Amino acid sequence: LAKTTQPISMDSYEGQEVNITCSHNNIATNDYITWYQQFPSQGPRFIIQGYKTKVTNEVASLFIPADRKSSTLSLPRVSLSDTAVYYCLVGDSGGYQKVTFGTGTKLQVIP
Amino acid sequence: DGGITQSPKYLFRKEGQNVTLSCEQNLNHDAMYWYRQDPGQGLRLIYYSQIVNDFQKGDIAEGYSVSREKKESFPLTVTSAQKNPTAFYLCASKRTGIQETQYFGPGTRLLVL
Repeated sequence: LAKTTQPISMDSYEGQEVNITCSHNNIATNDYITWYQQFPSQGPRFIIQGYKTKVTNEVASLFIPADRKSSTLSLPRVSLSDTAVYYCLVGDSGGYQKVTFGTGTKLQVIP
Repeated sequence: DGGITQSPKYLFRKEGQNVTLSCEQNLNHDAMYWYRQDPGQGLRLIYYSQIVNDFQKGDIAEGYSVSREKKESFPLTVTSAQKNPTAFYLCASKRTGIQETQYFGPGTRLLVL
């Protein structure tokens, strides 16, 4: 399983764009990159998933360079409610294989 | 409403006691997972199951047991062999297929008396 490395924590002011980068140097050909958000005492919630280039949905964008050894989650104009832990996962989403959650990035949005 | 339910929300265990955490899903997902989360830490995989009557150990299976007799149910038993069971336990399920992701339940917080 590909190991991921993320910053432990980040602070941002309300209204700013936040970029969280994840390193996954040994990502395999079949691996997708998935990001989850977790609030305290709740289960993680899916945010976005991608394989290469750029993916955008209503809450975030995911940028993946050509070598796929890293990825960047971009949250536009964050609000206080975006304060949470963000996990980057790499794994074969097409199968049953287990994926490994790292420690995640704790994002603190400041008023 | 489709989703994953976990019960109870809080569970207390006495020394030497086995306790069972419930996880039910009505999403018709094949795969189900159990994770443990300690304060300020990420999720660690305890057990996972790909199909009924089959399951595999995750990274921290010692002191835990599971069963998968029905597709929609994947109960986790925390045995007396688990010496440090206080944690937040999360159940998840996933459908097979390209780009499928895990759906998580609300979690059960286990405390030792």
